[in-house]
Amino acid sequence: GAVVSQHPSWVICKSGTSVKIECRSLDFQATTMFWYRQFPKQSLMLMATSNEGSKATYEQGVEKDKFLINHASLTLSTLTVTSAHPEDSSFYICSAYTGRDGEQYFGPGTRLTVT
Amino acid sequence: AQKITQTQPGMFVQEKEAVTLDCTYDTSDQSYGLFWYKQPSSGEMIFLIYQGSYDEQNATEGRYSLNFQKARKSANLVISASQLGDSAMYFCAMREGIRNNDYKLSFGAGTTVTVRA
Repeated sequence: GAVVSQHPSWVICKSGTSVKIECRSLDFQATTMFWYRQFPKQSLMLMATSNEGSKATYEQGVEKDKFLINHASLTLSTLTVTSAHPEDSSFYICSAYTGRDGEQYFGPGTRLTVT
Repeated sequence: AQKITQTQPGMFVQEKEAVTLDCTYDTSDQSYGLFWYKQPSSGEMIFLIYQGSYDEQNATEGRYSLNFQKARKSANLVISASQLGDSAMYFCAMREGIRNNDYKLSFGAGTTVTVRA
C-alpha cells in the first residue's frame, strides 16, 4: 500500500529557533501533499496544500511567512516552522494524494514542543 | 458553517457489540466523497472506508460499513463486533469539488470510541 513517512516523529526546540519537518511518499509519487495541524483531542486543521514545483496554497488565517512549505520533488514536501513560539507546539500531520478516487494517505505525524 | 458534523464527542461500547458513529455533512456539490479515518493514541490516521456521492451501494470494508443516506446528508459509520483495538478517535471527512481536481478534505470534530471488555 501507499506509505508516507514523516521526520522527525517528535522534536523539542527552543523559542525563536526554526524547525523543519519532512514528509515523504515512499512508494508512490505525490503531486499534491497536505499539511495539517492538530491540537490535543481536536480535529485536524488544514494548513496548506503543497503542489510539486509551485507555491503552496495556504488556508485562511495561516501565516505563510511563519510556516514555510517547499515541495521540491514528487516524493518530498517540507514544512519549516520559523521563529517558533510555545503556541506553535502541536501535532503536525502531512498527507499525500495518490491520484486515485481522492484517496489520501497520512504520515505518522510530528509532535513539536517549543519551550 | 460546519461542513462535517459529528455530534458524539465520546462513546462507550461493549466488546463484540456494534457501534454507530454519526456524521452529517453539508455541501452544494453534486460530486463529493466521504471518508472515515481512525486515529489511535499513537496519532497516525488510518483510512477505513470511502463512499462516493454517486455510489448506489453502501460501502463496506470488513467490519466497517457506511450507512449512506444522501437525502439526509448523513454518512454514519457502523463498526460491527467491536474489539478492544477499536478504541480510538474516529473522524468523518468530506472531499468536495472532485470534478475540479480539488483534493482537500474537511474533517469533523471526531468521536472518541472506548471499547470495554
